[in-house]
Amino acid sequence: AQSVTQPDIHITVSEGASLELRCNYSYGATPYLFWYVQSPGQGLQLLLKYFSGDTLVQGIKGFEAEFKRSQSSFNLRKPSVHWSDAAEYFCAVGTWTNNDMRFGAGTRLTVKP
Amino acid sequence: EAGVTQSPTHLIKTRGQQATLRCSPISGHTSVYWYQQALGLGLQFLLWYDEGEERNRGNFPPRFSGRQFPNYSSELNVNALELEDSALYLCASSEGTGAGETQYFGPGTRLLVL
Repeated sequence: AQSVTQPDIHITVSEGASLELRCNYSYGATPYLFWYVQSPGQGLQLLLKYFSGDTLVQGIKGFEAEFKRSQSSFNLRKPSVHWSDAAEYFCAVGTWTNNDMRFGAGTRLTVKP
Repeated sequence: EAGVTQSPTHLIKTRGQQATLRCSPISGHTSVYWYQQALGLGLQFLLWYDEGEERNRGNFPPRFSGRQFPNYSSELNVNALELEDSALYLCASSEGTGAGETQYFGPGTRLLVL
């Protein structure tokens, strides 16, 4: 069965600094990979997704992610963080069958002024 | 275009009662998913409905059930509520059932069981 690991529970960065959130997945075939963001008290908003093709995926709000099959990773990056980026970020893997999407435990991002 | 909507936003129940949560998908979306987001447990997949049928179920007891109506809206019922059912319940919808269909989420219903 597929699974997702987000090794960092909480990350703090200064505003303007770069950001990388880690995500590792386990799945036997080529996965569908997603990053979602959840602001406090809100639902999840899709940032970007990877299905196939170019391994560097551009998303909304200046985020990008890189799929590395050899490392089973799909890390999320942003070159310069804004205070409004403070939220919880979830990596997810979707499967070819049953539309069963598995989410990581999430990484909470705090942005220091 | 309206997004996924859920009602109520908050729900307070006592142990043993039943809770009913509602979800309206994005117009044109036929699949509805339910997730439980409990504190410290992340998002757990509950149920998937498509075209009125239950297509997949997560590792939850039978007291978690639901249905999908002809207009594709959905209802999640939780019977015999337990304290640990307190969580944010998120509904998502997708346009189809193809592999890797993007799921769009609603704001959630926060259920508190006392």
